[in-house]
Amino acid sequence: AQSVTQPDIHITVSEGASLELRCNYSYGATPYLFWYVQSPGQGLQLLLKYFSGDTLVQGIKGFEAEFKRSQSSFNLRKPSVHWSDAAEYFCAVVGSGSARQLTFGSGTQLTVLP
Amino acid sequence: NAGVTQTPKFQVLKTGQSMTLQCAQDMNHNSMYWYRQDPGMGLRLIYYSASEGTTDKGEVPNGYNVSRLNKREFSLRLESAAPSQTSVYFCASSESGQLGGYTFGSGTRLTVV
Repeated sequence: AQSVTQPDIHITVSEGASLELRCNYSYGATPYLFWYVQSPGQGLQLLLKYFSGDTLVQGIKGFEAEFKRSQSSFNLRKPSVHWSDAAEYFCAVVGSGSARQLTFGSGTQLTVLP
Repeated sequence: NAGVTQTPKFQVLKTGQSMTLQCAQDMNHNSMYWYRQDPGMGLRLIYYSASEGTTDKGEVPNGYNVSRLNKREFSLRLESAAPSQTSVYFCASSESGQLGGYTFGSGTRLTVV
């Protein structure tokens, strides 16, 4: 069965600093990978997705992620973090069920210091 | 505004009580999902409906039932609530061919005492 692991439970960065959130996946075939963001008290919003092709994908809010098959990773990056980026971030992979449902990682909570 | 609407937003139940969480989407999506979110565990799939008239178990279905009432509505029922079901519940929908492109509701925070 497919799975994703987010090794970092909580990350703190200063505003303006760069950010990298880690995600490792386990899936037998070519994975379809996603990053979602959840602001406090809200539902999840799709940041970006990878299906195939270019391994560097761009998303909303200035985020990007790089797919590395050799490392089974799909890390999320942002060159300069803004205070509004403070949220919880989830990596996810699509499975093989009839509805191609998402399997989520446990999430990484991002704190941004002024 | 188009999207996924969940009701209620908050609920407190006593152990053994029953309740139904409602979810409706107005995007004409075929697939709908119920997840629960618990600290440190991410979102776990309870049930899903690939299309109207079908439902399937997810990762954590025990203690829950679902009904895909029509294409728009997908409800989640707790027949006899337990403290272990204290959680935040999210409904989501997606178009069949739109892999992973879920639209989420804003959640229902349920506390079972």
